Amino acid sequence: EVQLVESGGGLVQPGGSLRLSCAASGFTYSNVWMIWVRQAPGKGLEWVTNINQDGSAKYYVDSVRGRFTISRDNAKNFLYLQMNSLRAEDTAVYYCARDGRPHAADSWGQGTLVTVSS
Amino acid sequence: QSALTQPASVSGSPGQSITISCTGTSSDVGGYNSVSWYQQYPGKGPKLIIYEVSNRPSGVPDRFSGSKSGNTASLTISGLQTEDEADYYCRSYTGSNSPYVFGGGTKVTVL
Repeated sequence: EVQLVESGGGLVQPGGSLRLSCAASGFTYSNVWMIWVRQAPGKGLEWVTNINQDGSAKYYVDSVRGRFTISRDNAKNFLYLQMNSLRAEDTAVYYCARDGRPHAADSWGQGTLVTVSS
Repeated sequence: QSALTQPASVSGSPGQSITISCTGTSSDVGGYNSVSWYQQYPGKGPKLIIYEVSNRPSGVPDRFSGSKSGNTASLTISGLQTEDEADYYCRSYTGSNSPYVFGGGTKVTVL
């Protein structure tokens, strides 16, 4: 069974940093693209970033480029999101997901809440 | 990259059919057969229900179907059931350096 479990969310002050983790199991992790998607309270889904199988290709939504960094550890089956210079508008539930279908995320975690507030 | 345009809400009675539209541009929806649809219940993670415009993953009921015409993709739910009451999102590949964009989401209400 495919499982994705996010952790690392919490309350952080504006300008602060946080690192999210996503533990993957139940599939060959090193074979698939992985993504992070966020959802602000009461709002819709926003694609944030993705990474290819070996970590050599990474893409970001304009609003986080230069502040967020996606990475992966294929030996440990983990996905990470390093978030720096956090802003109030980054407050959201962050989901990790597997892009296991062509251009489609076929497995999702339950999300971890990040709150940016003083 | 602007979000794809979806109606905020759609409603129908049990057994009826409803259609949710997802409108983009020739740079996203119209340019690629890479539209996917997701169902999300409150407090839960999304679930993939359609990929590559019209393909259903195994386990997704065949009352869910997808299509595309020009810059607009559509999700149709036939034989609406109470458990279909949820939020639905489309997503498209854009080919840009921010390669994906979601729609704003549609709340489906079963009357």
